[in-house]
Amino acid sequence: QKEVEQDPGPLSVPEGAIVSLNCTYSNSAFQYFMWYRQYSRKGPELLMYTYSSGNKEDGRFTAQVDKSSKYISLFIRDSQPSDSATYLCAMSDLGGSQGNLIFGKGTKLSVKP
Amino acid sequence: KAGVTQTPRYLIKTRGQQVTLSCSPISGHRSVSWYQQTPGQGLQFLFEYFSETQRNKGNFPGRFSGRQFSNSRSEMNVSTLELGDSALYLCASRRDNSPLHFGNGTRLTVT
Repeated sequence: QKEVEQDPGPLSVPEGAIVSLNCTYSNSAFQYFMWYRQYSRKGPELLMYTYSSGNKEDGRFTAQVDKSSKYISLFIRDSQPSDSATYLCAMSDLGGSQGNLIFGKGTKLSVKP
Repeated sequence: KAGVTQTPRYLIKTRGQQVTLSCSPISGHRSVSWYQQTPGQGLQFLFEYFSETQRNKGNFPGRFSGRQFSNSRSEMNVSTLELGDSALYLCASRRDNSPLHFGNGTRLTVT
């Protein structure tokens, strides 16, 4: 079993839809959880960063962490064609390993006008 | 504020050669990490440097090496290139207890 599992998609939705992206993980030591967005021919761009369990909202994006279920989610409200990209979840444990992130394989999202 | 800068953007090398990739972190960021991204394996951690010292290393062969300079700039080197080394190599920097910020990568093709 891989440490982080993420449905690769592709996921295609109409403009304005609510998108739900998810990752599951197996290592209960993970404490830091991130979502990155990667456009074609670009590096990953940090979208959301959360520590431990709970919700965090930033504009149209909401990140949720459920440590009891080892499950994290990213919700995108009112999705736009510019949201079309690959979304990567990433996580790390405490201490000095925060530069060593464990990534999911990414979910490719396409938002159709 | 300038982001993480990686040079060159594209490289084509022949099997058996060696290659050096360069990374300039965001100003004020002292930690630099390197990742390899391939379609099959996704993003995999190579190593992390802080204050010119390697702090963590991923599960890659010794052909992959790196270093960090006193101005926090970093280089990674791959010797005796193999076809399987073709990938996007990403550099990322961060402040302590902050998340990573990535550059746009160097696309390495080994023929």
